[in-house]
Amino acid sequence: EVQLVESGGALVQPGGSLRLSCAASGFTLSDYYMDWVRQAPGKGLEWVGRTRNKANGYSTVYAASVKGRFSLSRDDSTDSVYLQMNSLKAEDTAVYYCARLSIGSTYYFDNWGQGTLVTVSS
Amino acid sequence: QTVVTQEPSFSVSPGGTVTLTCGLSSGSVSTTFNPSWYQQTPGQTPRTLIYSTNIRASGVPDRFSGSILGNKAALTITGAQADDESDYYCLLYMGGGTSALGGGTKLTVL
Repeated sequence: EVQLVESGGALVQPGGSLRLSCAASGFTLSDYYMDWVRQAPGKGLEWVGRTRNKANGYSTVYAASVKGRFSLSRDDSTDSVYLQMNSLKAEDTAVYYCARLSIGSTYYFDNWGQGTLVTVSS
Repeated sequence: QTVVTQEPSFSVSPGGTVTLTCGLSSGSVSTTFNPSWYQQTPGQTPRTLIYSTNIRASGVPDRFSGSILGNKAALTITGAQADDESDYYCLLYMGGGTSALGGGTKLTVL
């Protein structure tokens, strides 16, 4: 069974940093692209970024709203994906979901984690 | 920056049919954008409904269908039920290898 479990959410001050983790199980992580999606309280879903699979060199892409502040990485040996968030702003407050992108070129989410809450506030 | 657009809200009567759309602030949505659709009820993780424009995900009832209508992707619910009352989001594969989500449509069944 595919499982994605996020962790690391916390209360952090504006300008601070935080690293979120996504523990993957039930599949071979290196075969898949992995994305992060966030949802501010009472708002819609927002795509954050993507780390491609081993075959595509683990390259990353980001939404304009986080580019330069957030970075994605992964460790396939420990089946984990990470979202490093720097220079955090109040508007980064959200539940952050880890999501697996389907294999192949269909580019849809076939599995989601339960999310972890990040609150940016002084 | 191109924005993915969805109706903020929609209502449908039980048993009725409703079509939600997913467009672009600039340009047209086609199958090359690989539109997919997700359902989310408050406090829950999103559920995948449709991918590759019109393929239903495993376990999704056939009252949900996807298509391209004109210059937009569309999600049609035929024979709406009370538990279809949810937020619906579309996801598009954009240029540069990125993706983008629409703002979501809050569907009310009444």
